[in-house]
Amino acid sequence: ETGVTQTPRHLVMGMTNKKSLKCEQHLGHNAMYWYKQSAKKPLELMFVYSLEERVENNSVPSRFSPECPNSSHLFLHLHTLQPEDSALYLCASSQASYNEQFFGPGTRLTVL
Amino acid sequence: KQEVTQIPAALSVPEGENLVLNCSFTDSAIYNLQWFRQDPGKGLTSLLLIQSSQREQTSGRLNASLDKSSGRSTLYIAASQPGDSATYLCAFTSGSARQLTFGSGTQLTVLP
Repeated sequence: ETGVTQTPRHLVMGMTNKKSLKCEQHLGHNAMYWYKQSAKKPLELMFVYSLEERVENNSVPSRFSPECPNSSHLFLHLHTLQPEDSALYLCASSQASYNEQFFGPGTRLTVL
Repeated sequence: KQEVTQIPAALSVPEGENLVLNCSFTDSAIYNLQWFRQDPGKGLTSLLLIQSSQREQTSGRLNASLDKSSGRSTLYIAASQPGDSATYLCAFTSGSARQLTFGSGTQLTVLP
């Protein structure tokens, strides 16, 4: 089992709901990441937090809002999502930005 | 735009065969390249990490090579087993960006 955990594992939400995804890493790493994996598409980086600095993909809609309160925890706050946001959301961590990344099991999100 | 291409998209082999998965990338100034395994609906498991100064890495029945000049990496799996059935992803970190760029993966099926 990996040292990166994600909750919930499955989430179904309506377009008007607000929910949050949680990621926790137990590896003592300093960088954490959110990725989106849609069917038939490569993994897409959404956000990077490194030593509490946020680096984001400018194509990510504002309805996705990350929060990194400390180096072990990462959240992805979701509001007014669209059905095309349905995907597997993966969290990862690494010792530093360029180092080997370790992934969590993912949250399968379905937006109705 | 940096890209990663993985060929073939799908591969089916009988148990016991040795096989090679291919990955090509557009950025010769890579920092490292990582091979992952993903089981259906699950997160990614890191298999091998090759630094830009290395030519290959080995772990058990797996051997990954890196040729920066030609922009190619291969993952060699010896004596394949049904438990090797999964999607294999390669991804690289460039020297200029603190993020992994992923290919679409090769879906491997090893038949008993």
